[in-house]
Amino acid sequence: DQQVKQNSPSLSVQEGRISILNCDYTNSMFDYFLWYKKYPAEGPTFLISISSIKDKNEDGRFTVFLNKSAKHLSLHIVPSQPGDSAVYFCAASEGAQKLVFGQGTRLTINP
Amino acid sequence: DTAVSQTPKYLVTQMGNDKSIKCEQNLGHDTMYWYKQDSKKFLKIMFSYNNKELIINETVPNRFSPKSPDKAHLNLHINSLELGDSAVYFCASSSAIGYTGELFFGEGSRLTVL
Repeated sequence: DQQVKQNSPSLSVQEGRISILNCDYTNSMFDYFLWYKKYPAEGPTFLISISSIKDKNEDGRFTVFLNKSAKHLSLHIVPSQPGDSAVYFCAASEGAQKLVFGQGTRLTINP
Repeated sequence: DTAVSQTPKYLVTQMGNDKSIKCEQNLGHDTMYWYKQDSKKFLKIMFSYNNKELIINETVPNRFSPKSPDKAHLNLHINSLELGDSAVYFCASSSAIGYTGELFFGEGSRLTVL
């Protein structure tokens, strides 16, 4: 029973365009949502997060949107750069210290 | 200076063997974790320790035994290895104070059971 799902295993975007990565969740008790980025042979690194009391959080080129009624969040990267090519994991938590991850979306930025 | 380090990075072993993966963090964090990334690529939590005390144990077979000698170390010992144990195991840490869900991960240890 996967509570966090990323239904697109891969996404290919042209450099300079917007990348949109999507994530759906089923547990309405989740109160914190995060995106992690992972390069090959490295561990995931934290990218951006959002609390359930907000619907948008922005950090430079990265913006996360949360739609609680649809139990959906998305990560927008604009403009996309070659260094953004990585696997992106969506994660959610209920209370403290237990993150539930999706299966990741591999983003490829084409020059 | 690596914040969360795991050894070994690669481990190939036979079914039935016992093996350990070590993890150390130099971030001064109170909480450490083991996650497993299986063949379907999901990252699933296995264990969480806070100040050497077990706080999360996610229906993991008791062949897996975590050990935390101090809050900077969390080792994973696996007995009687099975084919299905082949995966990448990630250690992570977080600060218990003002916890925001941000985990700091190690590079992962790829375990292959033949």
